[in-house]
Amino acid sequence: AQSVTQLDSQVPVFEEAPVELRCNYSSSVSVYLFWYVQYPNQGLQLLLKYLSGSTLVKGINGFEAEFNKSQTSFHLRKPSVHISDTAEYFCAVSEGSPGGYNKLIFGAGTRLAVHP
Amino acid sequence: DAGITQSPRYKITETGRQVTLMCHQTWSHSYMFWYRQDLGHGLRLIYYSAAADITDKGEVPDGYVVSRSKTENFPLTLESATRSQTSVYFCASSEWDPGRYEQYFGPGTRLTVT
Repeated sequence: AQSVTQLDSQVPVFEEAPVELRCNYSSSVSVYLFWYVQYPNQGLQLLLKYLSGSTLVKGINGFEAEFNKSQTSFHLRKPSVHISDTAEYFCAVSEGSPGGYNKLIFGAGTRLAVHP
Repeated sequence: DAGITQSPRYKITETGRQVTLMCHQTWSHSYMFWYRQDLGHGLRLIYYSAAADITDKGEVPDGYVVSRSKTENFPLTLESATRSQTSVYFCASSEWDPGRYEQYFGPGTRLTVT
């Protein structure tokens, strides 16, 4: 079965500093990869996704992620964070099934805390 | 209002009681999902539905029941609530294959079982 590991449960960072949130997955087949963000007291919303093509994916709010097949990683980056980026970030991988429905498997989440 | 809504937003109940969490979406999306969010576990899929009258178990279905008689509604029932079911519950929907396309999440229901 596929799994997703988010290596850091919490990442503190100062405003305007760069940040990287790490995500590794296990899979023996092709995967689709996602990053979702959850702002306080809200549901999740999609930041970006990788389905195929260019391994560098750009998302909303200045975030980007790079798919590395050999490292089975999909790390999320932002060159300069704002206070408003304080949120929980979830990496997710889709799991294929013979019936054609691809379930989404979520990591445990990384809490990004941006300090002034 | 357009979108996906959940009710109630907060609920406190006692062990052994039956509780139903409601989910309504206005987009006519085919797929709907129920997740629970617990610290250290991220989101875990409870049940999902690919269309009206089609439902299937996810990763943690025990103690939960779902139904989907209409495309827009997907209620989740805890038949006899237990303390281990204290959690934040999220409903989501997706127009197409959720493994490839965006899932849209509701605001969540915070359930406390005493």
